[in-house]
Amino acid sequence: AQKVTQAQTEISVVEKEDVTLDCVYETRDTTYYLFWYKQPPSGELVFLIRRNSFDEQNEISGRYSWNFQKSTSSFNFTITASQVVDSAVYFCALSENTGGFKTIFGAGTRLFVKA
Amino acid sequence: EPEVTQTPSHQVTQMGQEVILRCVPISNHLYFYWYRQILGQKVEFLVSFYNNEISEKSEIFDDQFSVERPDGSNFTLKIRSTKLEDSAMYFCASVTGASGANVLTFGAGSRLTVL
Repeated sequence: AQKVTQAQTEISVVEKEDVTLDCVYETRDTTYYLFWYKQPPSGELVFLIRRNSFDEQNEISGRYSWNFQKSTSSFNFTITASQVVDSAVYFCALSENTGGFKTIFGAGTRLFVKA
Repeated sequence: EPEVTQTPSHQVTQMGQEVILRCVPISNHLYFYWYRQILGQKVEFLVSFYNNEISEKSEIFDDQFSVERPDGSNFTLKIRSTKLEDSAMYFCASVTGASGANVLTFGAGSRLTVL
């Protein structure tokens, strides 16, 4: 069964600090996909990144970077030099390539970035 | 950029009333989803829909819930007899096809308040 665990409920940082959001997943499938979504205070769900299970290469996009490690079933997200606009809830999610192709979300981590 | 449209944005109803939430997925998308987010909580999968039938549903999606695609554009979620605990934000999402790799494109959500 699919499961995504985001152990950090809330994180508070001061602007320009780096912050890492943790994500641990469980799946029995060998083919699966991991995602991060952002939910700003306005409420919409915004896609950030997708990784597939065969590609453990880490990715950097501007101030955002993602560390995928199959050995520890983790897909962590780091924001470098955080800004107030990064304040949001961040969801890690997992989908398998079977069944209804549903995406299962973690409980989310609420990030507060203070000026 | 194509988007998923949801109506109404907010609906207030009395307990026991029927509610229909409407979604217009992206026109060339084939797989449709409903998710629910109780205030401040995780995004929960309700149902996936493909080729005019339910592909997968969660344990939340009991007999009080139904979905249909009454015409070529709309995708609806009906709650037959609302309960207080149905109060939540309901998100519709669509993807291009049958694959776990697909990125969900979410609508802005419909907030349901049951009094």
